[in-house]
Amino acid sequence: DAKTTQPTSMDCAEGRAANLPCNHSTISGNEYVYWYRQIHSQGPQYIIHGLKNNETNEMASLIITEDRKSSTLILPHATLRDTAVYYCIVSLSYNTDKLIFGTGTRLQVFP
Amino acid sequence: NAGVTQTPKFQVLKTGQSMTLQCAQDMNHEYMSWYRQDPGMGLRLIHYSVGAGITDQGEVPNGYNVSRSTTEDFPLRLLSAAPSQTSVYFCASSYSDWTGMFNSPLHFGNGTRLTVT
Repeated sequence: DAKTTQPTSMDCAEGRAANLPCNHSTISGNEYVYWYRQIHSQGPQYIIHGLKNNETNEMASLIITEDRKSSTLILPHATLRDTAVYYCIVSLSYNTDKLIFGTGTRLQVFP
Repeated sequence: NAGVTQTPKFQVLKTGQSMTLQCAQDMNHEYMSWYRQDPGMGLRLIHYSVGAGITDQGEVPNGYNVSRSTTEDFPLRLLSAAPSQTSVYFCASSYSDWTGMFNSPLHFGNGTRLTVT
């Protein structure tokens, strides 16, 4: 599975959009991009995933570049409860043996 | 709907002791897995199972055993605990159809915090 590169940490003001980048330059054509987050010491929580097209759900939007070498997770109106570690993962499927989480981006939302 | 339930929440062991971390899910998910999380290292896959009776190793399997006798349960056994196994352990599950082509997101439990002294 392809590796991902994310910034170690980011800050965002409450109410503003949080844009979290992820580089995955070695992604293959049939690998998906997934985003999870981990709030404090809880188990990771699924946010969104995509293959080629941009995706949106009730939690976030996912923008994937045309060459698929990078993506951005957008939290449109960040709240204090969005403070968490965000993981970008690429994989062939959810159930492959090598779902590698990495160290993620620590997002701090401030008042 | 309980989701993925892990017990115990906290455990302290002495070096050489054995114990089993329990994981149960009530979503009829075929796929289950165990991760460990250490400071600054993200989550690392220990073992996983694609269905009852089937298990396989992940990135860091040494020192751990698993079995999958039922769809619901996926216990993780430490046969002889070592201080290097001090960590937070997460169990996860997801749905997978028989082809493996359709899968749901991973659902995680809230972890077991293990300290080995």
